[in-house]
Amino acid sequence: GENVEQHPSTLSVQEGDSAVIKCTYSDSASNYFPWYKQELGKGPQLIIDIRSNVGEKKDQRIAVTLNKTAKHFSLHITETQPEDSAVYFCAASSTGSWGKLQFGAGTQVVVTP
Amino acid sequence: SQTIHQWPATLVQPVGSPLSLECTVEGTSNPNLYWYRQAAGRGLQLLFYSVGIGQISSEVPQNLSASRPQDRQFILSSKKLLLSDSGFYLCAWSVSRGFTNEKLFFGSGTQLSVL
Repeated sequence: GENVEQHPSTLSVQEGDSAVIKCTYSDSASNYFPWYKQELGKGPQLIIDIRSNVGEKKDQRIAVTLNKTAKHFSLHITETQPEDSAVYFCAASSTGSWGKLQFGAGTQVVVTP
Repeated sequence: SQTIHQWPATLVQPVGSPLSLECTVEGTSNPNLYWYRQAAGRGLQLLFYSVGIGQISSEVPQNLSASRPQDRQFILSSKKLLLSDSGFYLCAWSVSRGFTNEKLFFGSGTQLSVL
């Protein structure tokens, strides 16, 4: 089955700097890669996703890149703000998996003013 | 717009007691429904998913069961809770498009503490 590894487990950045989180996946059939943001005591919120027919997707300060050959994808947050502090999860799934996502272990991002 | 409701938000139960967590989705029909569990400081583990009324698939053997009595209602149950059942339980839904992958949306979660 699919295995998703996520790094780093914790990330501290100064406000205004960029943050990058990287994930690798094992199943070459995976073709959908969402990212979730989870604040303390709340459910994960979908912030951006990318499908395998696209190499990069951007939404304001957030961008995701995908390298299918290397089987890795990354989340980039630019101009970080204190409200970006949260746990971020990457995930992967493939067609035929009925929407079941395999999640990475999460990255705790702390943005210090 | 679609919304997902999950309750209760927190629950403290003694070992050996029963459990019933409920989740409902509004604004859509025939969604795929999921139960995930998140241990403290850990990632999300899929427990059950359902593609229709009465259709439940279990991902991991455990002390829990799930049921889908109505199209937009998903229930997580246990007859006798174990200490290891403690965790943050999340219900989620996605649009049903056959077996293609679609965006997954989570509820607000239930923090279960078994003492």
